[in-house]
Amino acid sequence: DARVTQTPRHKVTEMGQEVTMRCQPILGHNTVFWYRQTMMQGLELLAYFRNRAPLDDSGMPKDRFSAEMPDATLATLKIQPSEPRDSAVYFCASGLVTIRVGEQFFGPGTRLTVL
Amino acid sequence: AQSVAQPEDQVNVAEGNPLTVKCTYSVSGNPYLFWYVQYPNRGLQFLLKYITGDNLVKGSYGFEAEFNKSQTSFHLKKPSALVSDSALYFCAVRPDRGYSTLTFGKGTMLLVSP
Repeated sequence: DARVTQTPRHKVTEMGQEVTMRCQPILGHNTVFWYRQTMMQGLELLAYFRNRAPLDDSGMPKDRFSAEMPDATLATLKIQPSEPRDSAVYFCASGLVTIRVGEQFFGPGTRLTVL
Repeated sequence: AQSVAQPEDQVNVAEGNPLTVKCTYSVSGNPYLFWYVQYPNRGLQFLLKYITGDNLVKGSYGFEAEFNKSQTSFHLKKPSALVSDSALYFCAVRPDRGYSTLTFGKGTMLLVSP
């Protein structure tokens, strides 16, 4: 049963520290998405990649957030320095791009708490 | 730009009764429409999608959704609710041309009482 995996599942850190979240997309999927979910804002798209190339990261605060895909099996989202307002659940999702599909498969999320 | 509206923050229904979770959308051209469900402390799970064809789409766990182009709606329905259906439900849309990301609604919490 193929699924998206994310590590860590939970992270508590202090303000100013670097946070790195990792995602392993489903093998064969060529798009990866990073979302942030909060009670106030709901589900926000931060960035997405197709064939490892970043296509849109306009939803991401550029001064502190960065997203990369070092290879097809790993996507990372980094926050440096972290701030309390970054506390949220961060989801990775992957999909296979065809014109007709558009389904995304979500990982279990990383719950980040910045003190 | 595309958008999704889920007008109800919460829907309450008694077990065994029919349920409806509402969704309206705005998109250029024809829409691809999706419903996802999120259980506590879990990621979103795909329920069903409308791409083309029959306006009534059947999905997982007995859910179905009806596409209404004139009302730009895609309401989620189930004939008989279960307590285990209690979760957060998201509607999403993208245009049928080219490729763009899904735009999600804010979600509707469904609470099914025993």
